[in-house]
Parts: sequence; structure tokens; C-alpha cells
Amino acid sequence: DGGITQSPKYLFRKEGQNVTLSCEQNLNHDAMYWYRQDPGQGLRLIYYSQIVNDFQKGDIAEGYSVSREKKESFPLTVTSAQKNPTAFYLCASKDRTYEQYFGPGTRLTVT
Amino acid sequence: GQNIDQPTEMTATEGAIVQINCTYQTSGFNGLFWYQQHAGEAPTFLSYNVLDGLEEKGRFSSFLSRSKGYSYLLLKELQMKDSASYLCAAFNDYKLSFGAGTTVTVRA
Repeated sequence: DGGITQSPKYLFRKEGQNVTLSCEQNLNHDAMYWYRQDPGQGLRLIYYSQIVNDFQKGDIAEGYSVSREKKESFPLTVTSAQKNPTAFYLCASKDRTYEQYFGPGTRLTVT
Repeated sequence: GQNIDQPTEMTATEGAIVQINCTYQTSGFNGLFWYQQHAGEAPTFLSYNVLDGLEEKGRFSSFLSRSKGYSYLLLKELQMKDSASYLCAAFNDYKLSFGAGTTVTVRA
């Protein structure tokens, strides 16, 4: 089955720790995206990558970092510099048409 | 910058029709998406409008006016399972800019 996987579904961390969220796709899509969603709000773009070894900052990149070493993988690291990291994180990928396909999301809680 | 506006909440009765409006102001515009999102889940694609006019897909229809920066999603014959958040998103180059979402509650 083709799709996007994110793991884990729920993640708990202590304040001050970096944490990496996984995103893998087997759809052979070139473009991948990371979004953050807070309660009662829409999705906000953190980073996106249109091709391997290249990525761009989105609207709220501060405190986050990414890598795109393989076409299938686009991990997101939430660093200790991110002031309010608790949120629902969604990864998406897109082929050469218009539709973005979303993974199931990771809910990160930092205390 | 990007500005996408849609109502926060709407309530309707099972079997009724609800129209969710969305206005957008974006620097560059390729098309308008509508997504459905149930609580705690990922958004699922409903529609994509590039040209002006109405597109119908079963119980759901979406309309776009590029000159007015306006779109709406029409949900007909509402069912309880339609209770969800509906997200409007403007597509610009390679990026989507989302509105805050409209929570639709369907009452029996």
C-alpha cells in the first residue's frame, strides 16, 4: 500500500530536549511538507522540500530543522529553541499535480 | 502575505444544507482547496478549484470567484458524519496557505 507514515502517533518530551519526528512516504513524490496545527487553528507551514537535498523555510521555521537526504524521508527536529512546541504535527507530500497527501500526524506534548 | 478568512463555527440540522464561505488575499494564486478534518485526524481532500464557477461532487460542491477572492463549500443532505472542521486553503506556487477552519456541527 502506498502512503505516508508518521511515527510515533503520540510523543512526550521534557522541556529543553530536542525531538525528531519521522515522516516517510512510498508514493515517489518529489515534494514534502511539514505543518503545525494548534487547537482551533488551521495548518501553518514549517518547512518544505521540493527535491532531495533542498528545502525552504515556511512561515514558522524558527526553532525547527529538517533534512532531505532521501526522497522517501523528511524528518523534522523540534529544537529546544522552539518556545511552544506542543502541537499536532502533520507531514504531507505532493506529486506533480496539485493534491497534497497527508500523513496521520504526530501529537507532541512537551512539559 | 496571505490572509484566509472563514467563519469559526456553523451548526445545522441533519438533512439540511450548509454553505461555508472563504475569502482570501494572497500574493499569487493558483487555486483553492477545501479539506475536511475530523478531530485528531489528518485533513482529507474534498475539492480543488482553479477556474471560476461551481464544481459538484456528490453531496459536496465548491465555488470559486477569482476576481472577488471568494470561495464557498456547499454541503447538502447533511449527515451526522459530516460533523468536522472544514479548511479552506489557497495554493500559491508550491505552498498551501490555510484558513483557521470552520467547525460544522450537525444536529439530529
